[in-house]
Amino acid sequence: DAGVTQSPTHLIKTRGQHVTLRCSPISGHKSVSWYQQVLGQGPQFIFQYYEKEERGRGNFPDRFSARQFPNYSSELNVNALLLGDSALYLCASSSRDRATGELFFGEGSRLTVL
Amino acid sequence: AQSVSQHNHHVILSEAASLELGCNYSYGGTVNLFWYVQYPGQHLQLLLKYFSGDPLVKGIKGFEAEFIKSKFSFNLRKPSVQWSDTAEYFCAVTNYGGSQGNLIFGKGTKLSVKP
Repeated sequence: DAGVTQSPTHLIKTRGQHVTLRCSPISGHKSVSWYQQVLGQGPQFIFQYYEKEERGRGNFPDRFSARQFPNYSSELNVNALLLGDSALYLCASSSRDRATGELFFGEGSRLTVL
Repeated sequence: AQSVSQHNHHVILSEAASLELGCNYSYGGTVNLFWYVQYPGQHLQLLLKYFSGDPLVKGIKGFEAEFIKSKFSFNLRKPSVQWSDTAEYFCAVTNYGGSQGNLIFGKGTKLSVKP
């Protein structure tokens, strides 16, 4: 069975550019969450979507946005990139929208901003 | 705001040694607690979770954790570690009934097991 898949796995951007990261959840999972993991830190919550609706948003600026498509895949967009946006971006899926189970994580998209 | 503290940044043990990783959280209400593990080159995966009931929770690969409400702690233990336990371990919390996506993670503890 396919797990959570993310693309691209690695990418390099320059300051001020825009980036789009993509995530496909496990088949049957309707919830997708995005996390940012800076080197040496734990993952930090950015967004959660369930059934294409935003269910939660972390403490990130408006430069960060996301959406979920009818097939439950998701995109994370970051505008006007800053050096501090360099991080591993993790996508996680789950079958429920509430804290009743576990999150299944992808391997992440590593973004480097120069 | 909720927060999670993991006391040890890097722990080095020899095989067969006992393990205890500390985790404390700050939240006054009912919480759900998790330990996730990330083996080298792999994605984060759930090790164990606590929602309610018996405060001693058993997970995969012989790991267990004890929820002590009075101490706001959820420490991870294993009686005898193996080289294959080398990984980074993350404690996480969410408030009861909260959005599943909104996990608050600690900074992680890197465990190195010497063969």
